[in-house]
Amino acid sequence: EDQVTQSPEALRLQEGESSSLNCSYTVSGLRGLFWYRQDPGKGPEFLFTLYSAGEEKEKERLKATLTKKESFLHITAPKPEDSATYLCAVPDNDYKLSFGAGTTVTVRA
Amino acid sequence: EAQVTQNPRYLITVTGKKLTVTCSQNMNHEYMSWYRQDPGLGLRQIYYSMNVEVTDKGDVPEGYKVSRKEKRNFPLILESPSPNQTSLYFCASRRRRIGFMNTEAFFGQGTRLTVV
Repeated sequence: EDQVTQSPEALRLQEGESSSLNCSYTVSGLRGLFWYRQDPGKGPEFLFTLYSAGEEKEKERLKATLTKKESFLHITAPKPEDSATYLCAVPDNDYKLSFGAGTTVTVRA
Repeated sequence: EAQVTQNPRYLITVTGKKLTVTCSQNMNHEYMSWYRQDPGLGLRQIYYSMNVEVTDKGDVPEGYKVSRKEKRNFPLILESPSPNQTSLYFCASRRRRIGFMNTEAFFGQGTRLTVV
């Protein structure tokens, strides 16, 4: 059973068109939820950690929120440089992160 | 600069020829892992290490070996590579958990391996 499910798989946006990505998880006793950005052929780049329901984190045009069952990554007024694949992950245990399949965001000028 | 460094970035090899991908981190992290990333399958953990001389299998360990003789280094060894090991590989490191809070992983830039 998948621990982490991301939707949609792909998102095409016009520059300035705000939208949200979803990450739902089934692990109990959440000990952190992580958001990463990945550019093609490169390593995932850490964005945010969320630990408890109601928590929010912001960085430039990105805001991550967390509920008891899911997390959202909101992209406000995106620019072409925000085009990337966004991954979320939760710890299975102390040594392993389970990653979702990612949402590939394309922002057109 | 805090970083995880992998080498080489690109590698083309032939079936059966032993190879090693190196990984080094400068953040004094206890935990290190290797992942492979394949289209449609996402990131899957191959092996992980909790500390020096302590390693264990992840989800897809077949055909791989690792060692952790020093805290900063965690090489991935393919004793007899096969074409199904063609993939994009990432090394990652993390601090040990702080209380109940797991910490974020830092990833290397990746090694694209092609086995022909």
